Amino acid sequence: KAGVTQTPRYLIKTRGQQVTLSCSPISGHRSVSWYQQTPGQGLQFLFEYFSETQRNKGNFPGRFSGRQFSNSRSEMNVSTLELGDSALYLCASSLVGQSTDGYTFGSGTRLTVV
Amino acid sequence: QQQVKQSPQSLIVQKGGISIINCAYENTAFDYFPWYQQFPGKGPALLIAIRPDVSEKKEGRFTISFNKSAKQFSLHIMDSQPGDSATYFCAAKKRNNDMRFGAGTRLTVKP
Repeated sequence: KAGVTQTPRYLIKTRGQQVTLSCSPISGHRSVSWYQQTPGQGLQFLFEYFSETQRNKGNFPGRFSGRQFSNSRSEMNVSTLELGDSALYLCASSLVGQSTDGYTFGSGTRLTVV
Repeated sequence: QQQVKQSPQSLIVQKGGISIINCAYENTAFDYFPWYQQFPGKGPALLIAIRPDVSEKKEGRFTISFNKSAKQFSLHIMDSQPGDSATYFCAAKKRNNDMRFGAGTRLTVKP
């Protein structure tokens, strides 16, 4: 059974550019959540999508956006990149989005902004 | 704003010892409390989880203790092994699947 796949694994971008990250959840999982992980801040919640709708949102600026497709795959976009956006971006999928569903994380996309 | 507070930030334990990590939350809307283990270069992996109607859950060497009135929960790792060296995150999840994490504890188990 394939796990959560995130692409690309590594990315280097320049300040001011925009970036799109992709997440393919486990087959059958309908909920996808995104987190930003940095050494100082831990895992910060970005947003959660369920059945193509954003259901929950963290406290990130509007430069961070996402979407989910009908096959549950999700993308997140960061526009006008800043140096502080350098982080590991993790996505996690769960079955139907109930509170007791376990999250399965991907290995993340390491974004470096220079 | 950290909705889940985790301590300590780092922990060093001798092989065979007990590792204890503590977490606290404020929002009573949280109704599921998982712990995740993360190794370098990997995403976090679910270790063990508890519902607030249970005060303790044990799986092998890992035990969660939960105090609903104090809004605190902790992870105990018995007979800690070098292979347990990793970063541990507590989390709290609402019924609508909104999950927030603690800041993480880096555990080092010395042989």
